[in-house]
Amino acid sequence: KAGVTQTPRYLIKTRGQQVTLSCSPISGHRSVSWYQQTPGQGLQFLFEYFSETQRNKGNFPGRFSGRQFSNSRSEMNVSTLELGDSALYLCASSLDGKEISPLHFGNGTRLTVT
Amino acid sequence: AQSVTQLGSHVSVSEGALVLLRCNYSSSVPPYLFWYVQYPNQGLQLLLKYTTGATLVKGINGFEAEFKKSETSFHLTKPSAHMSDAAEYFCAVSEKAGTALIFGKGTTLSVSS
Repeated sequence: KAGVTQTPRYLIKTRGQQVTLSCSPISGHRSVSWYQQTPGQGLQFLFEYFSETQRNKGNFPGRFSGRQFSNSRSEMNVSTLELGDSALYLCASSLDGKEISPLHFGNGTRLTVT
Repeated sequence: AQSVTQLGSHVSVSEGALVLLRCNYSSSVPPYLFWYVQYPNQGLQLLLKYTTGATLVKGINGFEAEFKKSETSFHLTKPSAHMSDAAEYFCAVSEKAGTALIFGKGTTLSVSS
């Protein structure tokens, strides 16, 4: 079974630009979560989607948004990029929300904002 | 609010020595607890999880952890370290299904020969 796939692996953007990151979950997984990882703040939850609906949201500004498609693939978008948005963005999928099912993480997209 | 504290941002052991990575949590309800490992330039891989039942949980690669409610702890151990165990380890907590994981800051494990 293929794992969680995130594209692209690396991105370099300029302040003020916007960026879209993509995540393909494990086949059959309906929940997709996004996390931001930085050296200073560690791993922070961005949002979670389940059956195309945002079910949970972390404490990030509205510049961070996401969506999920009918095939469970997900995208996250960051608009008006700031230097502080430089981070590793991790996507994770799980079966569903009926009981605790482990998160399976992708290898992440490393975003550098200059 | 939930929180996770990992004591020691960096732990160094010799190959063959005991590995002990500490994790304490705060939660208003019985939590679900996880340990994840991250190798350089990779995502996180689940080592083990505690949901209900037996408090001693065995995971992959010879790791285990014990849930101690009275101490609000979920420390990770491995009897004998291997060079390949060098990585960053994260403890995480969730209060109920469908909610986000709250991660600790991580502990970097170094293993010397």
